[in-house]
Amino acid sequence: EAQVTQNPRYLITVTGKKLTVTCSQNMNHEYMSWYRQDPGLGLRQIYYSMNVEVTDKGDVPEGYKVSRKEKRNFPLILESPSPNQTSLYFCASLSWGSPLHFGNGTRLTVT
Amino acid sequence: KQEVTQIPAALSVPEGENLVLNCSFTDSAIYNLQWFRQDPGKGLTSLLLIQSSQREQTSGRLNASLDKSSGRSTLYIAASQPGDSATYLCAVLSGGYQKVTFGTGTKLQVIP
Repeated sequence: EAQVTQNPRYLITVTGKKLTVTCSQNMNHEYMSWYRQDPGLGLRQIYYSMNVEVTDKGDVPEGYKVSRKEKRNFPLILESPSPNQTSLYFCASLSWGSPLHFGNGTRLTVT
Repeated sequence: KQEVTQIPAALSVPEGENLVLNCSFTDSAIYNLQWFRQDPGKGLTSLLLIQSSQREQTSGRLNASLDKSSGRSTLYIAASQPGDSATYLCAVLSGGYQKVTFGTGTKLQVIP
């Protein structure tokens, strides 16, 4: 089944403790991206990747890192999480001409 | 910078009514536009994808249109049902096939 898999689904952590949210797709898509969703602000793009080793900033990249060492994986790294990064995070992928496919989301709480 | 607006922010209709949701974007140089639905606390379900060269797409009771020159898309839902209650989001792919910009959504409630 074609899918985008994010892990974990829920994560509670403390300020400053490094964490990684994983994202993997099995559709051989070139493009992958991360979003955060906040009440009243909607979905905002954090980072995107056009292909392996090619990444670029979206609209809200501060406090986040990404890497694209393999085509199928695009992890989101928070080196020093802060409470304002508490949010619902989504990973997505697409190939030219295809719809954007989303993962099920990761609900992150930073205390 | 691309900006996407959805009006209305919320809509409540009786079951069976036909309805139209609107999506406006500021930069007409888009690659495609996609409509999603999102149930509370859940992920995004893709409804329809319209490529920049297309004028409309249909799936069941849903019909989406695209007018690039005016920067608008509409999602038409025929014969609404309580199960259609959700938040509907539009997303535009632009900026050289790189940036995805979402609208803030229309929260739809269909009353039985």
